[in-house]
Amino acid sequence: GAVVSQHPSRVICKSGTSVKIECRSLDFQATTMFWYRQFPKKSLMLMATSNEGSKATYEQGVEKDKFLINHASLTLSTLTVTSAHPEDSSFYICSARGGKDYEQYFGPGTRLTVT
Amino acid sequence: GQNIDQPTEMTATEGAIVQINCTYQTSGFNGLFWYQQHAGEAPTFLSYNVLDGLEEKGRFSSFLSRSKGYSYLLLKELQMKDSASYLCAVLDSNYQLIWGAGTKLIIKP
Repeated sequence: GAVVSQHPSRVICKSGTSVKIECRSLDFQATTMFWYRQFPKKSLMLMATSNEGSKATYEQGVEKDKFLINHASLTLSTLTVTSAHPEDSSFYICSARGGKDYEQYFGPGTRLTVT
Repeated sequence: GQNIDQPTEMTATEGAIVQINCTYQTSGFNGLFWYQQHAGEAPTFLSYNVLDGLEEKGRFSSFLSRSKGYSYLLLKELQMKDSASYLCAVLDSNYQLIWGAGTKLIIKP
């Protein structure tokens, strides 16, 4: 089956610093990648959708200047949380979709803690 | 607006059967997914229905009625490891996934 990796799995950073999370599709080409955020005991919330080589489409309420998304290749997308604050602490999950298969394959998630 | 409803929480007994319902109102329909998510982990794919009827896969089955905007996930012979959240998601006319809030399933011995 399709495999998506995320790195790092856990990160702790200080308030005001930036954190980059990588999402890779390991055995397929991901034409579209999605970034989600999930707070404890809450549902998945889509942050943005990115297609390879084009700008990401952000959901309402998500600051594009704070959450920088780059989808430079068909196998890699990155999410950078800039000037992170404690309220950005959350579980960030990416997913990838390729070709005509509309199933989203999820990465294992990254738990971000901002102190 | 787009809306997906599923119960917040359900409790069932080990070895029993449980049905988790999902109703939806979306702009267009290109299929319905069920995902399982254990606490602290990412969702994993369970099923995909695009035509009416029942799809059976081992202990799990998923049913769809497009005319009623309704689906259910049926779990048989429940095991303790089935304790998780079950997410219903609909692929809308733009092929975007619209997610339900998830149903937390608690299995008791």
